[in-house]
Amino acid sequence: NAGVTQTPKFQVLKTGQSMTLQCAQDMNHNSMYWYRQDPGMGLRLIYYSASEGTTDKGEVPNGYNVSRLNKREFSLRLESAAPSQTSVYFCASTEGAGAGANVLTFGAGSRLTVL
Amino acid sequence: GENVEQHPSTLSVQEGDSAVIKCTYSDSASNYFPWYKQELGKRPQLIIDIRSNVGEKKDQRIAVTLNKTAKHFSLHITETQPEDSAVYFCAASRYSSASKIIFGSGTRLSIRP
Repeated sequence: NAGVTQTPKFQVLKTGQSMTLQCAQDMNHNSMYWYRQDPGMGLRLIYYSASEGTTDKGEVPNGYNVSRLNKREFSLRLESAAPSQTSVYFCASTEGAGAGANVLTFGAGSRLTVL
Repeated sequence: GENVEQHPSTLSVQEGDSAVIKCTYSDSASNYFPWYKQELGKRPQLIIDIRSNVGEKKDQRIAVTLNKTAKHFSLHITETQPEDSAVYFCAASRYSSASKIIFGSGTRLSIRP
């Protein structure tokens, strides 16, 4: 049982390049989230998917797109990377129902540097 | 939209003393308030949570209190130990199956030996 798996763990991009961060969970969770973590800024929500087939904007969606490919997978795409997108990105999931509805299980994080 | 403010941003306490971290939230419909701990280089992990139908919850040395009228909640750590050194995040959301979970900006807690 791997939990939440993110790839890649590290990535360096040049300004204007595109890339996709992959996230998969094996806990049969309904809801999935993408956060970015910057020093002093905490965890800011980029996008979330309450259930398969739905996605919604969070606090800082500009410059990003997401795809909920199926129940297990939720990807984050940067179409034209900018230095302001240098950050650590965390994917997380929740059961979305029941006693653990809103308890987040996080992936290990992906450190992205945009030059 | 929902906004969560957290104070202080850094906190240093003597080992054995208590630490208190405070958060306020803006969405009056929020009814679920978790706290996460992030050790250096690790992912955040849930340490305690509270729902709005209770005012206080304890788990050994940690406790959370909630004041819904004032829209603030706090984390209390008693008898602090070196392993309590970490960044702590509060969060707020509506307890449902389709909910944003918004975090505060974090508190870096250091325990002095």
